[in-house]
Amino acid sequence: AQKVTQAQTEISVVEKEDVTLDCVYETRDTTYYLFWYKQPPSGELVFLIRRNSFDEQNEISGRYSWNFQKSTSSFNFTITASQVVDSAVYFCALSEGYTGANSKLTFGKGITLSVRP
Amino acid sequence: GAGVSQSPSNKVTEKGKDVELRCDPISGHTALYWYRQSLGQGLEFLIYFQGNSAPDKSGLPSDRFSAERTGGSVSTLTIQRTQQEDSAVYLCASRTGGAGSYEQYFGPGTRLTVT
Repeated sequence: AQKVTQAQTEISVVEKEDVTLDCVYETRDTTYYLFWYKQPPSGELVFLIRRNSFDEQNEISGRYSWNFQKSTSSFNFTITASQVVDSAVYFCALSEGYTGANSKLTFGKGITLSVRP
Repeated sequence: GAGVSQSPSNKVTEKGKDVELRCDPISGHTALYWYRQSLGQGLEFLIYFQGNSAPDKSGLPSDRFSAERTGGSVSTLTIQRTQQEDSAVYLCASRTGGAGSYEQYFGPGTRLTVT
């Protein structure tokens, strides 16, 4: 069975601080996909990134970066120089299998990030 | 282009009544998902439609829940004889379904309150 654990529930930082959101996953499949979604106060889930199990390259997109390590089953998300607009709930998610398979998402419980001015 | 839309945005109903929630996926997306978000359970998968294949209903919590997708586009989630524990935000997502497509795009959700 697949499982995603986001041990941090709430994080509060001051603007311009760096912050890392942790995600640990469990799966028996060798092919799987990992995702991060952002849920701002407006409520709509916004897709941020996808990684597949065969690509451990870290990724950077502006102030966002992701560190995928299969050895520790982790897919952590770092926000550099945080801003108030980053305040949201962040979800890590996992899906198993190839394209065309079910691909339902298993979500972690989410991390509430508050960035104070 | 237009995103996933859901209606109504809010629904208040009395315990025991039936409700229907609607989802309009992104045009051209063949895969459609329903999820539920509640304080106690977090985000849970409910059901998945892909093209003309039989839906995956493995996440439906009881036989009071059902969903259909007409014409490969709009989907309706029906909850019969609603209970207070059904109160949650019901989210719909769609995906292109083609090779290399993995991201699901979510609608704004329907907040259901059962009194």
